Amino acid sequence: DTGVSQDPRHKITKRGQNVTFRCDPISEHNRLYWYRQTLGQGPEFLTYFQNEAQLEKSRLLSDRFSAERPKGSFSTLEIQRTEQGDSAMYLCASGAGYEQFFGPGTRLTVL
Amino acid sequence: AQSVTQLDSQVPVFEEAPVELRCNYSSSVSVYLFWYVQYPNQGLQLLLKYLSGSTLVESINGFEAEFNKSQTSFHLRKPSVHISDTAEYFCAVSEPGSARQLTFGSGTQLTVLP
Repeated sequence: DTGVSQDPRHKITKRGQNVTFRCDPISEHNRLYWYRQTLGQGPEFLTYFQNEAQLEKSRLLSDRFSAERPKGSFSTLEIQRTEQGDSAMYLCASGAGYEQFFGPGTRLTVL
Repeated sequence: AQSVTQLDSQVPVFEEAPVELRCNYSSSVSVYLFWYVQYPNQGLQLLLKYLSGSTLVESINGFEAEFNKSQTSFHLRKPSVHISDTAEYFCAVSEPGSARQLTFGSGTQLTVLP
């Protein structure tokens, strides 16, 4: 399968814990995006990488959130000191040109 | 800043009937337009896109959308729906630029009834 993959698919954590999600993009894509989707809403942009450089960050990305893309390959999104409001589906997409291809998402539940 | 409005949160329709899912956007610059579909328990899939050229774009499974610049709309249509078209449909816009991030509408749940 050469699509975008995300791990884990589901994560349940307690408030205050740290969590980390991984995204493996389509190998030839140099663009990588993170989005967040809450129930009943469309995805909202969080951050964008071109190769290993993080070039855009949304105001939604608080100081508790950090993303990396070492060597321009896979990416990680870490949330520190999780809050109940962080419960959402976290989507990764990789792109070439103007198209973006989405992974299946990681569903985070903060208890 | 750009925004996308999908006025209909739910659209029920009988099998083989036509359907139109509405999408309006606002932006101060030219945009690229997309429709994504999300089937139950699956990721977002690109259904069709408008980048330039002909304002009428088609997908391989019978959907079409027409870019109307004067009305700032990109409505999605299908002349005859199938049960398998039941899914959530998201309209999205992207502005030319380095990031090209997508701004999504809130989605329309299409339910095709037998």
